[in-house]
Amino acid sequence: GAVVSQHPSWVICKSGTSVKIECRSLDFQATTMFWYRQFPKQSLMLMATSNEGSKATYEQGVEKDKFLINHASLTLSTLTVTSAHPEDSSFYICSGEGQGGNQPQHFGDGTRLSIL
Amino acid sequence: DAKTTQPPSMDCAEGRAANLPCNHSTISGNEYVYWYRQIHSQGPQYIIHGLKNNETNEMASLIITEDRKSSTLILPHATLRDTAVYYCIVAGNFNKFYFGSGTKLNVKP
Repeated sequence: GAVVSQHPSWVICKSGTSVKIECRSLDFQATTMFWYRQFPKQSLMLMATSNEGSKATYEQGVEKDKFLINHASLTLSTLTVTSAHPEDSSFYICSGEGQGGNQPQHFGDGTRLSIL
Repeated sequence: DAKTTQPPSMDCAEGRAANLPCNHSTISGNEYVYWYRQIHSQGPQYIIHGLKNNETNEMASLIITEDRKSSTLILPHATLRDTAVYYCIVAGNFNKFYFGSGTKLNVKP
């Protein structure tokens, strides 16, 4: 089946640093990738949609200057949390959607971000 | 916002069928029903999806009512490893997933 790899799986940083998370589709080309955030005991919340070669579209309430998304190729999207603070600590999950309409999304295993 | 409603939790005996309901009464004609599950601290795992016909794969069966306002995911022989949070999602052309709260399935020996 379709595999999405996310790296790193776990990161601890000091407040004020920027953190980059990579999301790769290993065996399919993902024209669209999605980024989600999940707080403890809550459901996944869609943050943004990124299409290869174009700007990401952000959900209401998500700061685009805080969460920078780059989708430079059909197999790689990155999320950079800029000037991270403790309230940005969360579980970040990406997904990729294959080409063609109404395809299921395939999710990575998530990145647990802890800001001290 | 999520367009689905699911019971918060369900129990199922190991080896028995688990039937997980989902209400999506405001579904549009071009929207599909997707089912995923999430085991603690992992990304969601795709299970099955459908438009209006019932679907079956090696993991589960999906039964969609004729009016498409509800569906049921069936795990035919639940095992302890099927304990997870199950999400029912309705998505259309742009395929954005808005997750609801899901159903926590507890499979008991």
